[in-house]
Amino acid sequence: EPEVTQTPSHQVTQMGQEVILRCVPISNHLYFYWYRQILGQKVEFLVSFYNNEISEKSEIFDDQFSVERPDGSNFTLKIRSTKLEDSAMYFCASSPGGVETQYFGPGTRLLVL
Amino acid sequence: GENVEQHPSTLSVQEGDSAVIKCTYSDSASNYFPWYKQELGKGPQLIIDIRSNVGEKKDQRIAVTLNKTAKHFSLHITETQPEDSAVYFCAPQGGAQKLVFGQGTRLTINP
Repeated sequence: EPEVTQTPSHQVTQMGQEVILRCVPISNHLYFYWYRQILGQKVEFLVSFYNNEISEKSEIFDDQFSVERPDGSNFTLKIRSTKLEDSAMYFCASSPGGVETQYFGPGTRLLVL
Repeated sequence: GENVEQHPSTLSVQEGDSAVIKCTYSDSASNYFPWYKQELGKGPQLIIDIRSNVGEKKDQRIAVTLNKTAKHFSLHITETQPEDSAVYFCAPQGGAQKLVFGQGTRLTINP
């Protein structure tokens, strides 16, 4: 069964450093998403991406964040200058259409020191 | 913005009993209502979903009921088993693509 994959599974970085989180969505899906979950809290939407552009973003997704689909298979989330409060689990998801089931990857645990 | 509330926040039931978790939402444009299960250290996994043109959907031991007038939908798990222990999230979707997650319900099944 196809699934969303994410790398790395864990990332430790120093405050102020740039990080890139990588995702491979399910191959025939058209919509891609990033969510995050701070430890012990609910999952929060960051951004959705369709047709090579951002279709929606939350207030969390400020100028420090960017997303890219550099080729036909990868979908990345970049945090330009990490802050302590960026420490969280980051989940990538994909769906075949806009109002359809979103399939989540296993997540990347980001720790900013 | 969308307001989603989930109750209870924790639920403990005896193995074999039923569990019910309720989710209320505020966005009347919501038309897709999924429930996700999250096990420790893993991503959310869809367990059942319902769309606004039906009131109930069942898949073996799991069912979801929707009351669009009252803006709530519920997850029902019957004949609970130890492997049902997890955190469950409702995540209604509105006109945009994003899912708005509730705060989660930690379900514990006691043997």
